[in-house]
Amino acid sequence: AQSVTQLGSHVSVSEGALVLLRCNYSSSVPPYLFWYVQYPNQGLQLLLKYTTGATLVKGINGFEAEFKKSETSFHLTKPSAHMSDAAEYFCAVRPRNNDMRFGAGTRLTVKP
Amino acid sequence: GAVVSQHPSWVICKSGTSVKIECRSLDFQATTMFWYRQFPKQSLMLMATSNEGSKATYEQGVEKDKFLINHASLTLSTLTVTSAHPEDSSFYICSADISVNEQFFGPGTRLTVL
Repeated sequence: AQSVTQLGSHVSVSEGALVLLRCNYSSSVPPYLFWYVQYPNQGLQLLLKYTTGATLVKGINGFEAEFKKSETSFHLTKPSAHMSDAAEYFCAVRPRNNDMRFGAGTRLTVKP
Repeated sequence: GAVVSQHPSWVICKSGTSVKIECRSLDFQATTMFWYRQFPKQSLMLMATSNEGSKATYEQGVEKDKFLINHASLTLSTLTVTSAHPEDSSFYICSADISVNEQFFGPGTRLTVL
């Protein structure tokens, strides 16, 4: 069975600093991989996804993630944090022809 | 991108009553829709997969008689929480598939049971 682990339930960075949110997955075959952002009392917004091809994926709002098969990781990064990036971030995996499974989430706090 | 709507966005009801939540795909047809439940400060937990024209597939531990799902058309799925109790209070989110790697989420419905 596939699972998703997000290391760190809470990450705090200063405005302008690097954002790194970690995600590792376990799956018998490389799944589709996703990062979503959720603002309070709202649904999920897709930041980026990996399906096939280039392993470095660029998303919205300056975020990017790299699929590393050897490490079974899909960490999310952003070079410079903005106050507006403060939110809950979810990593998700979806094996082919199967349901999407979410990590526990990481709350990002951005300090001025 | 595609749009998925949910109605209502929030609802407060008395214990013992039933509540219906609608999930609509506004500009595409969705053969498959999903219902998730999210408790405060927790992740989304898949409750069931809703397939148009057939019975929903429920995840282990989810009571199908309590959480009734109907997917009568390619643009509408409904979740009815029957005989709601305070422990059913949660944030319910639906999503719809365009393809296996494209899933769009609704804005969520916050249910509070008094």
